Amino acid sequence: DAGITQSPRHKVTETGTPVTLRCHQTENHRYMYWYRQDPGHGLRLIHYSYGVKDTDKGEVSDGYSVSRSKTEDFLLTLESATSSQTSVYFCAILVNTEAFFGQGTRLTVV
Amino acid sequence: QKEVEQDPGPLSVPEGAIVSLNCTYSNSAFQYFMWYRQYSRKGPELLMYTYSSGNKEDGRFTAQVDKSSKYISLFIRDSQPSDSATYLCAMSDYLYNNNDMRFGAGTRLTVKP
Repeated sequence: DAGITQSPRHKVTETGTPVTLRCHQTENHRYMYWYRQDPGHGLRLIHYSYGVKDTDKGEVSDGYSVSRSKTEDFLLTLESATSSQTSVYFCAILVNTEAFFGQGTRLTVV
Repeated sequence: QKEVEQDPGPLSVPEGAIVSLNCTYSNSAFQYFMWYRQYSRKGPELLMYTYSSGNKEDGRFTAQVDKSSKYISLFIRDSQPSDSATYLCAMSDYLYNNNDMRFGAGTRLTVKP
């Protein structure tokens, strides 16, 4: 698993509440990514980071923000969760030319 | 229209069968084509990637790319129950550019003993 840990693994939250998902890597890889995976859509990039405090938007960034204050941690925040954000969220790191994915966080917004 | 189209299946085959998984795409800038395997409740893992058109073989797996038709395939020979997973195609214009990678929706494969 290339030393990637996502937390929590499962979460149920109410509409309108803020939610933060954490991705932690045990090595010092520069590039980190947040994806969401939904039936019929595959994986879609939400945000990515190319270094501490360096982040940029992906394909589906609306409603999400990220922060990277340390190389090893990349946080994804849903400022005010909506039912459309119910999904499985994957963190990934880029090691040379290959992306390694975490185990995923299953988020349900009710 | 999605940039990458992939038949979601599900696909069920007997052990030992040859499996063909396919994707089509619309962006002619794509040059790198990848196949990921994803077991249930796990993250995707890279199976193999190819550059531009042509074939690439790795054990029981063969990836084919036809850029003129914007069509890619993954063949699995002598399929095993352990091959049961969802297979995702992905593509990008630069090998090191994970930011613009586009994924197919995934095809769920079951290989029955």
